Amino acid sequence: ETGVTQSPTHLIKTRGQQVTLRCSSQSGHNTVSWYQQALGQGPQFIFQYYREEENGRGNFPPRFSGLQFPNYSSELNVNALELDDSALYLCASRGGGTDTQYFGPGTRLTVL
Amino acid sequence: RKEVEQDPGPFNVPEGATVAFNCTYSNSASQSFFWYRQDCRKEPKLLMSVYSSGNEDGRFTAQLNRASQYISLLIRDSKLSDSATYLCVVKYTGTASKLTFGTGTRLQVTL
Repeated sequence: ETGVTQSPTHLIKTRGQQVTLRCSSQSGHNTVSWYQQALGQGPQFIFQYYREEENGRGNFPPRFSGLQFPNYSSELNVNALELDDSALYLCASRGGGTDTQYFGPGTRLTVL
Repeated sequence: RKEVEQDPGPFNVPEGATVAFNCTYSNSASQSFFWYRQDCRKEPKLLMSVYSSGNEDGRFTAQLNRASQYISLLIRDSKLSDSATYLCVVKYTGTASKLTFGTGTRLQVTL
Protein backbone atom coordinates (compact mmCIF):
# COMPACT_ATOMS: atom_id res chain seq x y z
CA GLU A 1 0.00 0.00 0.00
CA THR A 2 1.17 3.52 -0.82
CA GLY A 3 -0.35 5.22 2.22
CA VAL A 4 -2.34 7.56 -0.05
CA THR A 5 -6.07 7.38 0.52
CA GLN A 6 -8.96 8.85 -1.43
CA SER A 7 -12.65 9.24 -0.79
CA PRO A 8 -15.20 8.42 -1.92
CA THR A 9 -14.32 5.37 -4.02
CA HIS A 10 -17.28 5.80 -6.34
CA LEU A 11 -19.61 8.68 -7.05
CA ILE A 12 -22.54 9.26 -9.38
CA LYS A 13 -23.61 12.81 -10.22
CA THR A 14 -25.77 14.47 -12.81
CA ARG A 15 -24.74 17.05 -15.35
CA GLY A 16 -24.46 20.56 -13.87
CA GLN A 17 -23.83 19.40 -10.31
CA GLN A 18 -20.70 20.04 -8.27
CA VAL A 19 -18.43 17.44 -6.69
CA THR A 20 -15.63 17.39 -4.09
CA LEU A 21 -13.09 14.61 -4.00
CA ARG A 22 -10.66 14.11 -1.13
CA CYS A 23 -7.12 12.83 -0.79
CA SER A 24 -4.85 12.14 2.17
CA SER A 25 -1.21 12.04 1.19
CA GLN A 26 1.45 9.70 2.44
CA SER A 27 2.90 10.78 5.76
CA GLY A 28 5.56 13.44 5.30
CA HIS A 29 4.68 14.14 1.67
CA ASN A 30 4.02 17.83 1.11
CA THR A 31 3.22 17.74 -2.61
CA VAL A 32 -0.05 16.45 -3.99
CA SER A 33 -1.00 16.17 -7.65
CA TRP A 34 -4.36 15.33 -9.18
CA TYR A 35 -4.88 13.41 -12.40
CA GLN A 36 -7.91 12.53 -14.51
CA GLN A 37 -7.94 9.17 -16.28
CA ALA A 38 -10.64 8.63 -18.88
CA LEU A 39 -11.40 5.11 -20.03
CA GLY A 40 -8.67 3.72 -22.27
CA GLN A 41 -6.38 6.69 -21.71
CA GLY A 42 -3.39 7.45 -19.54
CA PRO A 43 -3.80 9.80 -16.57
CA GLN A 44 -3.84 13.51 -17.44
CA PHE A 45 -2.33 16.05 -15.05
CA ILE A 46 -4.89 18.46 -13.57
CA PHE A 47 -2.83 20.43 -11.05
CA GLN A 48 -0.38 20.20 -8.20
CA TYR A 49 -0.32 21.66 -4.70
CA TYR A 50 2.76 22.32 -2.64
CA ARG A 51 2.50 23.73 0.86
CA GLU A 52 -1.10 24.81 0.29
CA GLU A 53 -0.39 26.66 -2.96
CA GLU A 54 -1.20 25.59 -6.51
CA ASN A 55 2.13 25.51 -8.34
CA GLY A 56 1.40 23.76 -11.60
CA ARG A 57 -1.68 23.25 -13.73
CA GLY A 58 -2.52 21.17 -16.76
CA ASN A 59 -4.93 21.93 -19.57
CA PHE A 60 -8.12 21.92 -17.50
CA PRO A 61 -10.73 24.70 -17.26
CA PRO A 62 -11.17 26.86 -14.14
CA ARG A 63 -14.19 24.85 -13.02
CA PHE A 64 -11.57 22.35 -11.81
CA SER A 65 -10.18 23.79 -8.58
CA GLY A 66 -8.45 22.51 -5.53
CA LEU A 67 -7.22 23.07 -2.03
CA GLN A 68 -4.44 21.75 0.12
CA PHE A 69 -4.65 21.86 3.90
CA PRO A 70 -1.91 22.33 6.53
CA ASN A 71 -1.76 18.57 7.06
CA TYR A 72 -1.10 18.26 3.27
CA SER A 73 -4.41 16.54 2.54
CA SER A 74 -6.13 17.90 -0.53
CA GLU A 75 -9.46 18.38 -2.26
CA LEU A 76 -10.42 18.49 -5.91
CA ASN A 77 -13.58 20.42 -6.72
CA VAL A 78 -15.34 20.26 -10.05
CA ASN A 79 -18.21 22.63 -10.79
CA ALA A 80 -20.84 22.44 -13.52
CA LEU A 81 -20.16 18.78 -14.21
CA GLU A 82 -20.20 17.62 -17.82
CA LEU A 83 -20.65 14.11 -19.19
CA ASP A 84 -16.99 14.07 -20.26
CA ASP A 85 -15.92 14.55 -16.65
CA SER A 86 -16.75 10.88 -16.09
CA ALA A 87 -13.37 9.34 -15.26
CA LEU A 88 -11.12 7.91 -12.58
CA TYR A 89 -9.64 10.74 -10.52
CA LEU A 90 -6.28 9.96 -9.00
CA CYS A 91 -4.23 11.84 -6.49
CA ALA A 92 -0.53 11.28 -6.04
CA SER A 93 1.78 12.44 -3.29
CA ARG A 94 5.48 13.06 -3.34
CA GLY A 95 8.05 13.86 -0.71
CA GLY A 96 10.87 16.34 -1.09
CA GLY A 97 13.99 15.37 -3.00
CA THR A 98 12.43 12.60 -5.04
CA ASP A 99 10.66 12.26 -8.37
CA THR A 100 8.65 9.26 -7.25
CA GLN A 101 4.92 9.80 -6.93
CA TYR A 102 2.64 7.43 -5.09
CA PHE A 103 -0.93 7.14 -6.26
CA GLY A 104 -4.05 6.64 -4.25
CA PRO A 105 -6.72 4.12 -5.33
CA GLY A 106 -8.73 6.79 -7.09
CA THR A 107 -12.32 7.98 -7.13
CA ARG A 108 -14.46 6.78 -10.00
CA LEU A 109 -16.85 9.56 -11.00
CA THR A 110 -19.80 8.93 -13.27
CA VAL A 111 -21.73 11.91 -14.63
CA LEU A 112 -25.20 11.14 -15.99
CA ARG B 1 1.09 14.40 -31.91
CA LYS B 2 0.92 13.02 -28.38
CA GLU B 3 3.75 13.90 -26.03
CA VAL B 4 4.26 10.26 -25.08
CA GLU B 5 3.31 7.55 -27.56
CA GLN B 6 2.88 3.85 -26.97
CA ASP B 7 1.43 0.97 -28.92
CA PRO B 8 -1.83 0.23 -27.07
CA GLY B 9 -1.64 -3.49 -27.84
CA PRO B 10 -2.95 -5.80 -26.59
CA PHE B 11 0.09 -8.01 -26.54
CA ASN B 12 -0.98 -11.60 -26.01
CA VAL B 13 1.95 -13.81 -25.04
CA PRO B 14 2.31 -17.29 -23.53
CA GLU B 15 3.76 -17.79 -20.09
CA GLY B 16 7.53 -17.84 -20.21
CA ALA B 17 7.79 -15.61 -23.25
CA THR B 18 9.90 -12.48 -23.52
CA VAL B 19 8.02 -9.33 -24.49
CA ALA B 20 9.21 -5.81 -25.22
CA PHE B 21 7.32 -2.53 -25.10
CA ASN B 22 8.47 0.68 -26.70
CA CYS B 23 7.62 4.28 -26.09
CA THR B 24 8.64 7.55 -27.73
CA TYR B 25 8.44 11.04 -26.30
CA SER B 26 8.39 14.31 -28.17
CA ASN B 27 9.82 16.86 -25.74
CA SER B 28 13.59 16.79 -25.52
CA ALA B 29 13.48 18.88 -22.32
CA SER B 30 12.81 15.75 -20.38
CA GLN B 31 14.26 14.86 -17.06
CA SER B 32 12.98 11.64 -15.61
CA PHE B 33 11.45 8.51 -17.05
CA PHE B 34 9.39 5.76 -15.52
CA TRP B 35 7.38 2.67 -16.24
CA TYR B 36 4.20 2.31 -14.21
CA ARG B 37 2.00 -0.76 -14.07
CA GLN B 38 -1.78 -0.45 -13.85
CA ASP B 39 -4.09 -3.34 -13.15
CA CYS B 40 -7.69 -3.17 -14.33
CA ARG B 41 -9.63 -0.49 -12.44
CA LYS B 42 -6.74 0.12 -10.05
CA GLU B 43 -4.26 2.94 -9.57
CA PRO B 44 -0.92 3.10 -11.41
CA LYS B 45 2.00 1.70 -9.44
CA LEU B 46 5.64 2.48 -10.07
CA LEU B 47 7.36 -0.46 -11.73
CA MET B 48 10.76 1.12 -12.23
CA SER B 49 12.59 4.29 -13.07
CA VAL B 50 14.53 4.36 -16.33
CA TYR B 51 18.12 5.54 -16.56
CA SER B 52 20.33 6.29 -19.55
CA SER B 53 22.69 3.50 -18.59
CA GLY B 54 19.83 1.02 -18.58
CA ASN B 55 18.64 -0.73 -15.47
CA GLU B 56 17.34 -4.10 -14.48
CA ASP B 57 15.04 -5.30 -11.73
CA GLY B 58 14.67 -9.05 -11.74
CA ARG B 59 12.90 -10.05 -14.94
CA PHE B 60 12.39 -6.43 -15.99
CA THR B 61 14.91 -4.36 -17.97
CA ALA B 62 14.40 -0.73 -18.92
CA GLN B 63 16.40 1.24 -21.46
CA LEU B 64 16.49 4.92 -22.38
CA ASN B 65 17.86 6.40 -25.58
CA ARG B 66 17.88 10.18 -25.20
CA ALA B 67 19.17 10.81 -28.71
CA SER B 68 16.22 8.94 -30.23
CA GLN B 69 13.80 9.96 -27.45
CA TYR B 70 12.90 6.34 -26.98
CA ILE B 71 12.21 4.23 -23.90
CA SER B 72 11.80 0.47 -23.72
CA LEU B 73 10.73 -2.17 -21.24
CA LEU B 74 11.68 -5.82 -21.59
CA ILE B 75 9.95 -8.51 -19.57
CA ARG B 76 11.59 -11.92 -19.53
CA ASP B 77 9.94 -15.20 -18.50
CA SER B 78 6.46 -13.68 -18.45
CA LYS B 79 4.14 -14.72 -15.65
CA LEU B 80 0.35 -14.74 -15.59
CA SER B 81 0.61 -12.07 -12.89
CA ASP B 82 2.37 -9.73 -15.34
CA SER B 83 -0.95 -9.23 -17.16
CA ALA B 84 -1.66 -5.51 -16.80
CA THR B 85 -1.36 -2.20 -18.64
CA TYR B 86 2.14 -0.73 -18.72
CA LEU B 87 2.32 3.05 -18.76
CA CYS B 88 5.31 4.93 -20.09
CA VAL B 89 5.79 8.14 -18.10
CA VAL B 90 7.94 11.21 -18.62
CA LYS B 91 8.64 14.13 -16.32
CA TYR B 92 9.89 17.31 -17.97
CA THR B 93 12.43 19.71 -16.59
CA GLY B 94 10.92 22.55 -14.61
CA THR B 95 7.38 21.23 -14.45
CA ALA B 96 7.42 20.36 -10.79
CA SER B 97 5.72 17.05 -10.28
CA LYS B 98 3.80 16.89 -13.53
CA LEU B 99 4.00 13.43 -15.01
CA THR B 100 3.04 12.91 -18.63
CA PHE B 101 1.65 9.46 -19.34
CA GLY B 102 1.31 7.47 -22.50
CA THR B 103 -1.99 5.72 -23.12
CA GLY B 104 -0.49 2.45 -21.93
CA THR B 105 0.25 -0.92 -23.50
CA ARG B 106 -1.94 -3.80 -22.44
CA LEU B 107 -0.25 -7.13 -21.81
CA GLN B 108 -2.14 -10.40 -21.49
CA VAL B 109 -0.08 -13.43 -20.49
CA THR B 110 -1.79 -16.75 -21.16
CA LEU B 111 -1.18 -20.38 -20.21
